[in-house]
Amino acid sequence: AQSVTQLDSQVPVFEEAPVELRCNYSSSVSVYLFWYVQYPNQGLQLLLKYLSGSTLVKGINGFEAEFNKSQTSFHLRKPSVHISDTAEYFCAVSDEAGTALIFGKGTTLSVSS
Amino acid sequence: EAQVTQNPRYLITVTGKKLTVTCSQNMNHEYMSWYRQDPGLGLRQIYYSMNVEVTDKGDVPEGYKVSRKEKRNFPLILESPSPNQTSLYFCASSRGVANYGYTFGSGTRLTVV
Repeated sequence: AQSVTQLDSQVPVFEEAPVELRCNYSSSVSVYLFWYVQYPNQGLQLLLKYLSGSTLVKGINGFEAEFNKSQTSFHLRKPSVHISDTAEYFCAVSDEAGTALIFGKGTTLSVSS
Repeated sequence: EAQVTQNPRYLITVTGKKLTVTCSQNMNHEYMSWYRQDPGLGLRQIYYSMNVEVTDKGDVPEGYKVSRKEKRNFPLILESPSPNQTSLYFCASSRGVANYGYTFGSGTRLTVV
């Protein structure tokens, strides 16, 4: 069965610093991976997804993620964060049946000035 | 605007009093799903539907019911709510989960006292 582990529950950074949010997955079938962002008191918004092809995926708001099959990882990165990036970030993998996204427990990114 | 609309946004109720959380999508999506979000646990799927009159259990279905009589609507029913169902609930829809992920509503914060 698929599973997702987000390695950091909280990541504090200063504004304009780079950030990496780590995600490892476990899957025995073809992998479809997603990153979502949840701003306070809002629903989840899709940041980016990996289906196939290039291992470097670019998303919205300047975020990108790299799929690494050998390390079973899908880490999210941004070269320079803003205060407005403060939010909770979720990594997810599609299940085998294609009916559910299996989510990690989330990483809270806190950006301060 | 393409969206998933759920109501109400906030609800406080008493143990045992039946309630329904409504969900509607305007994107003609086949797939719809309900998730609950709890601190430290991430998001867990309650029920999903692949089309009209086709529903199935997710990971945490106990104490919940759903129906899919029309393609756009997917209400969540708690026939006898209990305090352990206090949570943040999200409705979501998709035209293909593996390829597109889910589009989420804004959430319903339910408190059962």
